[in-house]
Amino acid sequence: DTGVSQDPRHKITKRGQNVTFRCDPISEHNRLYWYRQTLGQGPEFLTYFQNEAQLEKSRLLSDRFSAERPKGSFSTLEIQRTEQGDSAMYLCASSSADLYYGYTFGSGTRLTVV
Amino acid sequence: SQQGEEDPQALSIQEGENATMNCSYKTSINNLQWYRQNSGRGLVHLILIRSNEREKHSGRLRVTLDTSKKSSSLLITASRAADTASYFCGGYNTDKLIFGTGTRLQVFP
Repeated sequence: DTGVSQDPRHKITKRGQNVTFRCDPISEHNRLYWYRQTLGQGPEFLTYFQNEAQLEKSRLLSDRFSAERPKGSFSTLEIQRTEQGDSAMYLCASSSADLYYGYTFGSGTRLTVV
Repeated sequence: SQQGEEDPQALSIQEGENATMNCSYKTSINNLQWYRQNSGRGLVHLILIRSNEREKHSGRLRVTLDTSKKSSSLLITASRAADTASYFCGGYNTDKLIFGTGTRLQVFP
């Protein structure tokens, strides 16, 4: 297991297009989180899953954003009708139920909306 | 929204010096963690300090927690150029981590 994988690493899209990102967590981890990070800021929580159940969504997550985690394995984050304000790094993290070990983050997907 | 704020926002030091970063948070949290982020990469977990602990050490890292002041500090001793990164504190709010704004540390050789 090589850690948390995110795909793609970079995505450039035109305003109004839909984009989908994928995250493959550490296989033993039942919790999966999505964060968004803009330049010079800390990661902002978007949503998280425990197994396949989406347990919480941030107010930041507008109706254009949707996340899934079918079968409690990989997760996808889709943004519909992208806007320039969606340009950011999208980070995925996973963790076990033992919070002592913290989160393992992927390297992120950098989205640029032009 | 950010729950914590790190201070200073940026810090530049020479190799061998100590670096101290502070984190203050707005609400009660459980188990505060510190993470490091190299440019363009994901965050890496450094250390966790539980709500009932006041100080913790791990290698060159020393973390303190003052729950009455809702603040924590991270000390990196004998810094190295490889310590150059952004450092974030994160506290658990219900079941997820809420991060601060980060301190950008630059260590010059």
